[in-house]
Amino acid sequence: GENVEQHPSTLSVQEGDSAVIKCTYSDSASNYFPWYKQELGKGPQLIIDIRSNVGEKKDQRIAVTLNKTAKHFSLHITETQPEDSAVYFCAASRTGAGSYQLTFGKGTKLSVIP
Amino acid sequence: DARVTQTPRHKVTEMGQEVTMRCQPILGHNTVFWYRQTMMQGLELLAYFRNRAPLDDSGMPKDRFSAEMPDATLATLKIQPSEPRDSAVYFCASGLGQGRPQHFGDGTRLSIL
Repeated sequence: GENVEQHPSTLSVQEGDSAVIKCTYSDSASNYFPWYKQELGKGPQLIIDIRSNVGEKKDQRIAVTLNKTAKHFSLHITETQPEDSAVYFCAASRTGAGSYQLTFGKGTKLSVIP
Repeated sequence: DARVTQTPRHKVTEMGQEVTMRCQPILGHNTVFWYRQTMMQGLELLAYFRNRAPLDDSGMPKDRFSAEMPDATLATLKIQPSEPRDSAVYFCASGLGQGRPQHFGDGTRLSIL
């Protein structure tokens, strides 16, 4: 089955700096890669996703890059703000018929220091 | 915004008791997932349904856990009998399947004493 590794497990940055979280996956057939943000006491919320037919996707201060050859993808947050502090999860899945399961990384706790 | 609704938000009970957690998926979503989150194991998939039919429950301890979808607006996860090691946050998520986003509820925090 799929295995997703996520690094680092914790990350502290100064407000205004950039944060980068990296994930690797093992199943070469995976082609859907979402990122989730989980705040304290809440469920994970989708913040951005990417499919294997593109190498990069941006949404305001958030961007995700994908390298299918190396089987890794990354989340980039620019101009970080205190409200970006949360746990971030990457995930991977296939998209063929019968493929419904997401495999999650272990999470990265991001702290943005004002 | 449409949301996945989970009840109860918190549950504290003694070991051996039956626990039932409920989930109302987003209207129109045909795939429902149950996850368990702990510090040690992270997010673990327990079971999931498509069009109310169970597709995979290999992540669940079969002797004590059961998951059902009595109708399209309700999914349940039951533990009987409960044990202290079942203490965790249980999340329900719904989606449209096949590599589409999953939308999570805010979970049920379960403590078994």
